[in-house]
Order: sequence, then structure tokens, then C-alpha cells
Amino acid sequence: GQNIDQPTEMTATEGAIVQINCTYQTSGFNGLFWYQQHAGEAPTFLSYNVLDGLEEKGRFSSFLSRSKGYSYLLLKELQMKDSASYLCAVRDRDYQLIWGAGTKLIIKP
Amino acid sequence: IAGITQAPTSQILAAGRRMTLRCTQDMRHNAMYWYRQDLGLGLRLIHYSNTAGTTGKGEVPDGYSVSRANTDDFPLTLASAVPSQTSVYFCASSEADSTDTQYFGPGTRLTVL
Repeated sequence: GQNIDQPTEMTATEGAIVQINCTYQTSGFNGLFWYQQHAGEAPTFLSYNVLDGLEEKGRFSSFLSRSKGYSYLLLKELQMKDSASYLCAVRDRDYQLIWGAGTKLIIKP
Repeated sequence: IAGITQAPTSQILAAGRRMTLRCTQDMRHNAMYWYRQDLGLGLRLIHYSNTAGTTGKGEVPDGYSVSRANTDDFPLTLASAVPSQTSVYFCASSEADSTDTQYFGPGTRLTVL
């Protein structure tokens, strides 16, 4: 079966750095996405990785290792508004998105 | 409008009733999707459409139907609602380009009693 694993919940301090991990086992791989979802709102696109390595976009970076079936989302200089759920999704060989259950990130002052 | 709109925002429905959730996008995206999101589970694909006039089944299609008569609209119908269909429903669209990033509507919170 296809599976995406993420921690259920993480807590971090305002101004700090946090890394959210995602491991996947899917039938084929055609890219990995990270989305942010604030409570009661729709998911919004953060990043896309299809090749190994680090993609940096402002305070957010995303890393991919296809050989290890592993990705992480790195958030720097955490702000209170970063409190949200972070969803990892992998596009399989049929180009369908397989979604993880999400990681709820709690930021404390 | 800009992006994707969904209606209604929320609905309470008696079991056995028929319900259509509406989704409209103005980005001229070819592909559209319907997901449900339940606590503790990832988004699950119900149905999708790669282009107007075509539809396909996702992971959890039973009890739902869709149509795609034009590029902009992608309604989801529950023919006879059951309590297990209580969920938050998200419509999404994508350009079907190389990254195929999906953009989501605000969601419909549906409660079936």
C-alpha cells in the first residue's frame, strides 16, 4: 500500500527553527509537495521538490532524498502566524496525490 | 471572483437526502478535484476531472458522483447522504503543467445526521 508518515504534532518557540519530517512509500514518484493549512481554512501551497536536494524559499526550505523516501520542511525565524498544520503529499506513478495526515505545529511565545 | 469558490460554506443534512456541493474556478485550469478531510486522516480524493467532459474515480468514490460540463464548474453530488459522509469537503484545481500544483477552495463543512 501507499503510505505517507509525518509526526502528528510538534511544538516550537517563536524565533526558533523547526524541522518537520515526512517519509513516504508510494508506487512511483513524480514529485513531493508541502502545503500549509491554518485551522478552519484551505491548504495553501508551500513548496515542490522533484529532484534531490534543498529548495529555499524565504524562511521556508524543503529537502528531498528520493533514495531514502524522505523529505523535510524547515521553518526558520518562527512567527506566531506559522502555527498551522503542514501537509506532505507525494505524486505517485499515476500522477495522483497521496496525502499525509499532516503535522500540527504549535508555536509558543 | 478570483480563484476557487465553494458553496455552501456549511450544511446540516438529514440522512437520505440528496445534496450537491458546488465548486467554481475562474483560473481556466483544466484539472479539478474533490477531496474529503477527516480528523486524523490525510486528504482523500473522491473524484477528479482532467478536462471538461471527463471524470475519474479517486480513492473514496462510493456514494458520490460528479459532472464536468464546462471548464469552470465541478459539482459533487451525494445521492442519498449517510452519517459517514460527515466531513469537510475541498475542491481543488490545477493547470496540469509540469508541477501540477493544486489550489484549493475554502471548503464545505457537511454534517449528516
